[in-house]
Amino acid sequence: GNSVTQMEGPVTLSEEAFLTINCTYTATGYPSLFWYVQYPGEGLQLLLKATKADDKGSNKGFEATYRKETTSFHLEKGSVQVSDSAVYFCALRGGTSYGKLTFGQGTILTVHP
Amino acid sequence: AAGVIQSPRHLIKEKRETATLKCYPIPRHDTVYWYQQGPGQDPQFLISFYEKMQSDKGSIPDRFSAQQFSDYHSELNMSSLELGDSALYFCASRAIGLAGDNEQFFGPGTRLTVL
Repeated sequence: GNSVTQMEGPVTLSEEAFLTINCTYTATGYPSLFWYVQYPGEGLQLLLKATKADDKGSNKGFEATYRKETTSFHLEKGSVQVSDSAVYFCALRGGTSYGKLTFGQGTILTVHP
Repeated sequence: AAGVIQSPRHLIKEKRETATLKCYPIPRHDTVYWYQQGPGQDPQFLISFYEKMQSDKGSIPDRFSAQQFSDYHSELNMSSLELGDSALYFCASRAIGLAGDNEQFFGPGTRLTVL
């Protein structure tokens, strides 16, 4: 079956530091890949997505590239802000039309001023 | 823009009681998904409906049932509640019938606490 593995967390950074959160996946066929963000007490918000190999998703300074050869979709941001503190989930949607999401275990990011 | 609505936002129940969670999808969305997120856990897929028919089933206990109604809203019914059912329950909706790669939009969740 499909699975997603995220880097061990939590991650603590100072403001303006560089962020990388690793994500690798196992899936049959050609899944779509996503990063979701969850702020405290809130629901899941789609941060970015990529639907095929070598696609780069980007939003709010965050980027991730769909690497089929390494089955990875690492999240990066060049300069984090305190407001980026949240839980980040990598997820995939398999090839079926009805498209349930399989999530990684989540990475807690805390950014200090 | 309209979002996914879930009610209630918070629910407290005793063991062995029943609970009903409701989800109102974004207008014109034809698919609803239910996920369960335990404390400190990733969301786990429970069940989904497309055009009022069950389309996929995940790790949903037999004590739970769900359906999608003619107005596309969905209800998750949970019986014989156990302490381990305490979690955040998310509903997401999606417009599969529309062209393009349409995403799931998540509601704010219902936090269920079983005492």
